[in-house]
Amino acid sequence: NAGVTQTPKFHILKIGQSMTLQCTQDMNHNYMYWYRQDPGMGLKLIYYSVGAGITDKGEVPNGYNVSRSTTEDFPLRLELAAPSQTSVYFCASGEATYYYEQYFGPGTRLTVT
Amino acid sequence: AQKITQTQPGMFVQEKEAVTLDCTYDTSDQSYGLFWYKQPSSGEMIFLIYQGSYDEQNATEGRYSLNFQKARKSANLVISASQLGDSAMYFCAMREASNSGYALNFGKGTSLLVTP
Repeated sequence: NAGVTQTPKFHILKIGQSMTLQCTQDMNHNYMYWYRQDPGMGLKLIYYSVGAGITDKGEVPNGYNVSRSTTEDFPLRLELAAPSQTSVYFCASGEATYYYEQYFGPGTRLTVT
Repeated sequence: AQKITQTQPGMFVQEKEAVTLDCTYDTSDQSYGLFWYKQPSSGEMIFLIYQGSYDEQNATEGRYSLNFQKARKSANLVISASQLGDSAMYFCAMREASNSGYALNFGKGTSLLVTP
């Protein structure tokens, strides 16, 4: 049981390039989330999904896109990368239990330069 | 408006002492949940403790307890008998019933340093 896995762990991207951050969970959770954490700050919600085929924007969606074709995978796409997207990206998954606890992946540290 | 406020950017505590990390929240929902996460220097987010808005007793998990004062909208984390391994960033977060997909709103965090 791997939980939530993210790839890559680190990446340096040039301004204007695009890339996809991968996220996979093996807990059969319906809810999945992408957050970003800027230096010295808490996490902010980029996008979320309540099930396969259903996604919606969070607080800071500009410059990103997501898709959810399966329960397990929730990739985050960065188009035309900008320095402001330098951040640590966390994927999380959860289920509507008492806690609604979210399980976090290890994060992807992305630098856009 | 900030939903979660953590007013202590940094805290020091001596090993074996207790420490309280402050968290206040803002919501108009009747049903909500409050979480504390630990983020060590390695970067992962570790769930520590949860308090539901309808829970009458304060949550406890080992050395962690949550001092929940609903009328004051505060949910302070108490770490008893601090250990060197407790040095980390600590984040308070809230899940509201009205939140998008039950997503969490996070505070800016408190950096805790435990000294020998």
